[in-house]
Amino acid sequence: DQQVKQNSPSLSVQEGRISILNCDYTNSMFDYFLWYKKYPAEGPTFLISISSIKDKNEDGRFTVFLNKSAKHLSLHIVPSQPGDSAVYFCAARGLNTGNQFYFGTGTSLTVIP
Amino acid sequence: EAGVAQSPRYKIIEKRQSVAFWCNPISGHATLYWYQQILGQGPKLLIQFQNNGVVDDSQLPKDRFSAERLKGVDSTLKIQPAKLEDSAVYLCASSLERGRNTIYFGEGSWLTVV
Repeated sequence: DQQVKQNSPSLSVQEGRISILNCDYTNSMFDYFLWYKKYPAEGPTFLISISSIKDKNEDGRFTVFLNKSAKHLSLHIVPSQPGDSAVYFCAARGLNTGNQFYFGTGTSLTVIP
Repeated sequence: EAGVAQSPRYKIIEKRQSVAFWCNPISGHATLYWYQQILGQGPKLLIQFQNNGVVDDSQLPKDRFSAERLKGVDSTLKIQPAKLEDSAVYLCASSLERGRNTIYFGEGSWLTVV
């Protein structure tokens, strides 16, 4: 049962443009969402998070948007840089998940110089 | 601040053999997690510890997988006997306490079963 879905396995963006990575979830009890970035041969590193009481959280070039009614969140990277090329995972945790985080399958972002 | 440490980084074993992975969480982090990440998939929780007690092991294949965190600090994950489908990255993560919103991952232990 895939409760968190990332339907785009890959995305290519020109350097300097905006990257938009999408994530959908099915569990309406999810109340906290995170994005992780993963380089090859490394573990995922925390990038940005958002609570369900907000609809936007910004940290430098990274902004996460949450649409609770659509059960959808997105990560915007502006401007995109070649160093942003990595696999991005979204994760969610809910009141009824025993503090367990559920991860999507990841989107591989390539930023073309 | 030192991150989550894992070893070994890479391991190749034959099916039916055993393997053990070690994890040392970030200092002071009470909650420790083991995740399994199969190629092309997202991380899947195997087991969660709070100090030295198991909080959630519902997705741990207990017939072949075991994990312990005896002193509430470092942890060991064992697979015996290994199957081909156990080939994956085993990620250890930690958080300050259960319910804290951010978990921090180690670099992972890459297992190939042949």
